Amino acid sequence: NAGVTQTPKFRILKIGQSMTLQCTQDMNHNYMYWYRQDPGMGLKLIYYSVGAGITDKGEVPNGYNVSRSTTEDFPLRLELAAPSQTSVYFCASSSIGLITDTQYFGPGTRLTVL
Amino acid sequence: GQQVMQIPQYQHVQEGEDFTTYCNSSTTLSNIQWYKQRPGGHPVFLIQLVKSGEVKKQKRLTFQFGEAKKNSSLHITATQTTDVGTYFCAVFNNDMRFGAGTRLTVKP
Repeated sequence: NAGVTQTPKFRILKIGQSMTLQCTQDMNHNYMYWYRQDPGMGLKLIYYSVGAGITDKGEVPNGYNVSRSTTEDFPLRLELAAPSQTSVYFCASSSIGLITDTQYFGPGTRLTVL
Repeated sequence: GQQVMQIPQYQHVQEGEDFTTYCNSSTTLSNIQWYKQRPGGHPVFLIQLVKSGEVKKQKRLTFQFGEAKKNSSLHITATQTTDVGTYFCAVFNNDMRFGAGTRLTVKP
């Protein structure tokens, strides 16, 4: 199993550009999450999904959109990128849910907005 | 959502010394998780604590959940250079909240 994979690993965007961060998991997990991690800080939950077709906002959803059309994929869309969105983005998945289950993290996407 | 305070922010130790990081909450927690993140890496799950007063050990790592379920600690005995990284606690209350982490550096 590859686990949780993310693409791209690095990206530089100009202010106002858009992009999609890809996340795929091959563990047949129902739950998937997107976090951002600013330098020297902990992780903040952006969006999460409890299954295909179901998504919900986390702590910091503004400026982002998600979709979950399949169990495996959970892309994160940035519209009109801003410097404040410069961060490392981690995707994670779990089989049961946040409250009782281990989260498996992908390697991250390092995004810089200039 | 639930906020957790994690201290200290940084800790530098000589190899062989002990290390402890603490997570504190103003409200009762249902559970708490601990993660380790190596420099440049992604968070890796270490353990979950659920019961009041629970103590779990993983080799040199000892995890405790307070009796009131408002605080938790991670203690490393006789640190090694492989322990370097940032240790995070995470709690759930409507959504997942991570502490700011304790960055551990170990001098050989």
